[in-house]
Amino acid sequence: NAGVTQTPKFRVLKTGQSMTLLCAQDMNHEYMYWYRQDPGMGLRLIHYSVGEGTTAKGEVPDGYNVSRLKKQNFLLGLESAAPSQTSVYFCASSYSRGLPFGTDTQYFGPGTRLTVL
Amino acid sequence: DAKTTQPPSMDCAEGRAANLPCNHSTISGNEYVYWYRQIHSQGPQYIIHGLKNNETNEMASLIITEDRKSSTLILPHATLRDTAVYYCIVRGDTGRRALTFGSGTRLQVQP
Repeated sequence: NAGVTQTPKFRVLKTGQSMTLLCAQDMNHEYMYWYRQDPGMGLRLIHYSVGEGTTAKGEVPDGYNVSRLKKQNFLLGLESAAPSQTSVYFCASSYSRGLPFGTDTQYFGPGTRLTVL
Repeated sequence: DAKTTQPPSMDCAEGRAANLPCNHSTISGNEYVYWYRQIHSQGPQYIIHGLKNNETNEMASLIITEDRKSSTLILPHATLRDTAVYYCIVRGDTGRRALTFGSGTRLQVQP
């Protein structure tokens, strides 16, 4: 199992450019998440998905869009990048075991370091 | 989710057990205790979690006090690769999806 993989590992964008970050998981997990982590700060949830074809907003969704066309993939899009979106982006996935909502075990990818100039 | 308190830093000698404490005095009955770690620049790594009973897996042991107000993560034989920031997180049925990482404990394993 590769677990959770993220593509690309690094990227530099100019303000106004667009890009898509790809997250893939081979664990057959239903739930997938996108977080961002700024220097010295904790993780902040951008968007998440509880299943193929469904997405929902997290805590900091502005400026991002997501799609979950296949169960194993979760894409994060930046339509018009801004310097404030310079960050490390982490994808995570988890499965439902019939436990209470909000107690799933999330497994993280290695991250994508994005710099917007 | 309940608030947690951890010491900001700890040292441990290589090969010795590392015992990382966490206080969660406001934990409620249906909240779980989770431990994650983040090695520099890498994605957070799940370690272990528990509700009431002590738990053990291939990475660590989790000891939860009987009143559930505190817990200890034990790395039985710490190695240099265990140097990381360790996060104790309490999660429950609040409808909140996001994992909330506090400031954690920076564990430095010394050779």
